[in-house]
Amino acid sequence: QSVLTQPPSASGTPGQGVTISCSGSSSNIGSNYVYWYQQLPGTAPKLLIYRNNQRPSGVPERFSGSKSGTSASLAISGLRSEDEADYYCAARDDSLSGVVFGGGTKLTVL
Amino acid sequence: QVQLQESGPGLVKPSETLSLTCTVSDGSVSSGGFYWSWIRQPPGKGLEWIGNIFYSGSSNYNPSLKSRVSISVDTSKNQFSLKVRSVTAADTAVYYCARVYGDYSWLDPWGQGTLVTVSS
Repeated sequence: QSVLTQPPSASGTPGQGVTISCSGSSSNIGSNYVYWYQQLPGTAPKLLIYRNNQRPSGVPERFSGSKSGTSASLAISGLRSEDEADYYCAARDDSLSGVVFGGGTKLTVL
Repeated sequence: QVQLQESGPGLVKPSETLSLTCTVSDGSVSSGGFYWSWIRQPPGKGLEWIGNIFYSGSSNYNPSLKSRVSISVDTSKNQFSLKVRSVTAADTAVYYCARVYGDYSWLDPWGQGTLVTVSS
């Protein structure tokens, strides 16, 4: 059971938009930044969004992050087949003094 | 761009100690004020943070693993290492190392990962 809660799956057709949610508590998302990682099949996770809504260099503008209270969201617009991957949210947890992850959301582009 | 590479045995027997090393290239474990982290992913499952270490040796661990885990750093070899004692099948996973920015959950970049199977 992951500390952060994500839907196990999401889907959309090419060109559509999709949003993935991440729910936590006051000790993690509520008091710390949220990060998002993209894991393409058979590869290591890659940083997608940092500090709630910042995109690293090279990440398309189609990916955006937001946070409100103890929840966060990752939005992907203009879905492409190459977006098919697992997406994980993460945050520092003050009560654990460490990192907690969501269980991951498998995105399927139909 | 800094790169990380995990190495170590791919097969460990139950009750023994799992030992992995992460080699840092095009960067230094002792510069920039970064922490360095280990994360694992059981087959078909999600990510689990194991722990962090600073070049000074200061470390912190996931409370669920703390009694069996230790992370160390060797600045002369530009490496940091992970040991997990008394392993069971539940420790079978892909183990990743990563550099840590700012707060602990800003992990970038990651190594490619190495699969460790616990089996007799």
